Amino acid sequence: EVHLLESGGGLAQPGGSLRLSCAASGFTFRTYAISWVRQAPGKGLEWVAAISSSGTSTYYADSVRGRFTISRDNSKNTLFLQMNSLRAEDTAVYYCAKQSSSWYFDSYFDYWGQGALVTVSS
Amino acid sequence: EIVLTQSPGTLSLSPGERATLSCRASQSVSNSYLAWYQQKPGQAPGLLIYAASSRATGIPDRFSGSGSGTDFTLTISRLESEDFAVYYCQQYGTSPFTFGPGTKVDIK
Repeated sequence: EVHLLESGGGLAQPGGSLRLSCAASGFTFRTYAISWVRQAPGKGLEWVAAISSSGTSTYYADSVRGRFTISRDNSKNTLFLQMNSLRAEDTAVYYCAKQSSSWYFDSYFDYWGQGALVTVSS
Repeated sequence: EIVLTQSPGTLSLSPGERATLSCRASQSVSNSYLAWYQQKPGQAPGLLIYAASSRATGIPDRFSGSGSGTDFTLTISRLESEDFAVYYCQQYGTSPFTFGPGTKVDIK
């Protein structure tokens, strides 16, 4: 059974940093692309960043490019999201989502974690 | 980027009724790479449909998807109590991936 478990959420000050992790199990982690998708309180879904199966290719939404960095450790079946220069509008539940192929393009999200809440406030 | 519009915003129906949800794209969705997700309160989204009309593993056949180009539809043939939720469409044919704002299906 596929399982994705996010951790590292919490309260951060504007301009601060936070690092999210997503521990994966139940599938061959190194063969699938993975994304982060966020949902602001009471709002819809927004794709944030994606990484290819090997980790060599990364993709970002314009809203986070230059501030967030996605990475993965295939030896530990773990995905990361380093979030710097945080803003109030980054407040959201952050989900890691397994994609249906090794490549970001043309693949949908077939499994989701339960999410980690990030709150940016002074 | 491709903007997805969903209608209606809220659909109020009774168990056993048919639900028809619409998703319209601002430009053609490449290869009909459109997915539908269901989200219940306090839970993560779950995949229902991919490639416009293919049901995900374990999804009952009362859920069906159709459409191509810019117009897509999710149909729930007979609503059951567990189907009352928010439904999102998402295109994955063009980067960046985008989601619609959602349709809430609630109990009339």
